[in-house]
Amino acid sequence: KAGVTQTPRYLIKTRGQQVTLSCSPISGHRSVSWYQQTPGQGLQFLFEYFSETQRNKGNFPGRFSGRQFSNSRSEMNVSTLELGDSALYLCASSFGQTADTQYFGPGTRLTVL
Amino acid sequence: SQELEQSPQSLIVQEGKNLTINCTSSKTLYGLYWYKQKYGEGLIFLMMLQKGGEEKSHEKITAKLDEKKQQSSLHITASQPSHAGIYLCGADIQGAQKLVFGQGTRLTINP
Repeated sequence: KAGVTQTPRYLIKTRGQQVTLSCSPISGHRSVSWYQQTPGQGLQFLFEYFSETQRNKGNFPGRFSGRQFSNSRSEMNVSTLELGDSALYLCASSFGQTADTQYFGPGTRLTVL
Repeated sequence: SQELEQSPQSLIVQEGKNLTINCTSSKTLYGLYWYKQKYGEGLIFLMMLQKGGEEKSHEKITAKLDEKKQQSSLHITASQPSHAGIYLCGADIQGAQKLVFGQGTRLTINP
């Protein structure tokens, strides 16, 4: 079974631009969660989608948004990029129950110049 | 303060030596996950522990959950260069609607 895939793997943007990241979950998984990882803050939860609905949301500004499609694929968008948005963005998929194991993708490395 | 504390933050051991990484929660644990991450890459799932006293092993890695102490330990026996990386614990904890992660432990294995 194929794992979680994320595209693109690397991205370079400038301040003020916007970016869209994509995540394809493991087949059969209905939950997709997004995380931001930085050296200073570690792994921080952005949001979780289940059956096309946002189920949980972390403490990030409204510039960070996401959505999930009927095939469970998910996208996250960051508008008006800031230097501090440079990070590794990871998505994880699971079947969807609270205690289900999350399986992570390889991440998208975003650099904001 | 950090809801999940990992210790140590970094660890350098000689190849062949044993080592232990700890993960302590400030709140009640309902499930504890261990992941390994190579620098700049995704997290690889290692093990999940749900019941107090539960212990799981995979190859030379053993994880235990001490429910009373709200703590889990990850033990590597006879370490190898392939064990190098960042180990993260994640947990379902009381009051959190999401998986919470520790800051990670960076493990270096010297030949």
